[in-house]
Amino acid sequence: EAGVAQSPRYKIIEKRQSVAFWCNPISGHATLYWYQQILGQGPKLLIQFQNNGVVDDSQLPKDRFSAERLKGVDSTLKIQPAKLEDSAVYLCASSLVKAKRNTIYFGEGSWLTVV
Amino acid sequence: DAKTTQPTSMDCAEGRAANLPCNHSTISGNEYVYWYRQIHSQGPQYIIHGLKNNETNEMASLIITEDRKSSTLILPHATLRDTAVYYCIVRVTDSSYKLIFGSGTRLLVRP
Repeated sequence: EAGVAQSPRYKIIEKRQSVAFWCNPISGHATLYWYQQILGQGPKLLIQFQNNGVVDDSQLPKDRFSAERLKGVDSTLKIQPAKLEDSAVYLCASSLVKAKRNTIYFGEGSWLTVV
Repeated sequence: DAKTTQPTSMDCAEGRAANLPCNHSTISGNEYVYWYRQIHSQGPQYIIHGLKNNETNEMASLIITEDRKSSTLILPHATLRDTAVYYCIVRVTDSSYKLIFGSGTRLLVRP
């Protein structure tokens, strides 16, 4: 079974530029998550989708971050304009449904460096 | 949301059992305990989860105390590849069922 796919794996941009990350969840998984992980810290949830609807985006900095999951499958996370403090790993994860016994599977992450 | 407390770091010798403790004294009756680990440069990897009974799978065993206020993840025969950050998470039971990560325990397996 294919895992959660993310791209690009690495990205370096200058501050004030924009960047987009793409995620393809495990086939059939209705719930999709984007996490941000700053070096030395645990992952922090940015946004959670159930199919193409947003369940939780309370930690998403909406002035610069946006995310969409138009057809309930792939998702894109965009940052515009980027700041130095956005340097982090952006992790996409998915689960079959949102339920307390459903395992959440993570991708390898997209590493962003803002210079 | 129930919080967890884990030691910042631990080490063990290769081939020995690694016992990673976790305190979750505010856990409620229907909240599951999940364990993930993160090897350097990779995404978090699911290990095991449980509610009240002890659980075992091909990767590890999870021992949950009778009062559910703490648990221990056991890697029976640690290898160098088990060096990673281990996260103990109490999964929220609101409608999102999301995972909220803490800082985890950095486990170093020594040769």
